[in-house]
Amino acid sequence: DADVTQTPRNRITKTGKRIMLECSQTKGHDRMYWYRQDPGLGLQLIYYSFDVKDINKGEISDGYSVSRQAQAKFSLSLESAIPNQTALYFCATTLAKNIQYFGAGTRLSVL
Amino acid sequence: AQSVTQLGSHVSVSEGALVLLRCNYSSSVPPYLFWYVQYPNQGLQLLLKYTTGATLVKGINGFEAEFKKSETSFHLTKPSAHMSDAAEYFCAVSFNDMRFGAGTRLTVKP
Repeated sequence: DADVTQTPRNRITKTGKRIMLECSQTKGHDRMYWYRQDPGLGLQLIYYSFDVKDINKGEISDGYSVSRQAQAKFSLSLESAIPNQTALYFCATTLAKNIQYFGAGTRLSVL
Repeated sequence: AQSVTQLGSHVSVSEGALVLLRCNYSSSVPPYLFWYVQYPNQGLQLLLKYTTGATLVKGINGFEAEFKKSETSFHLTKPSAHMSDAAEYFCAVSFNDMRFGAGTRLTVKP
């Protein structure tokens, strides 16, 4: 089983819909991250969390929200999806300032 | 604040040739530096990392990178490219969060 699991792997939704992307990890790490990947832009940090009570905005948090339900779970929500949120989304975990372990990604299309 | 610049969005080499992927960083504190590789339809995997100590870091699959503080660089090299090295490569710098470069797509020609 993967250490970092993202669900769903693929999602197509319509403009204005609410959508949640989920991430769970079995590595026991405190820190979890959400990124989006767009061609030519690399990975941009959306939100990150150092523990259940600590949530921080990243570079591009507008239009997104997160919930850290437990140490192992970190969800990303799009309250009202728009087409320019079409992207590949990655969850990652890490222990302190160290190696990040990535999920396989969620490919989201907003029509 | 830290940031990363990868020079060249696409690099093409012949099989057996030297691979050189360039990365420059800015950081107000001593950085942790990383190179990750992404194969199609997959997440990112760690190639190598620099935290402290020896400035020449060896990673998986024959890759290595050298931390040069005076040049604020962390270029990735491999002496002889293999077809299986074709992928996208990301340089990253870490303090409280991790910032990634825009990526360099490596193509290996037969």
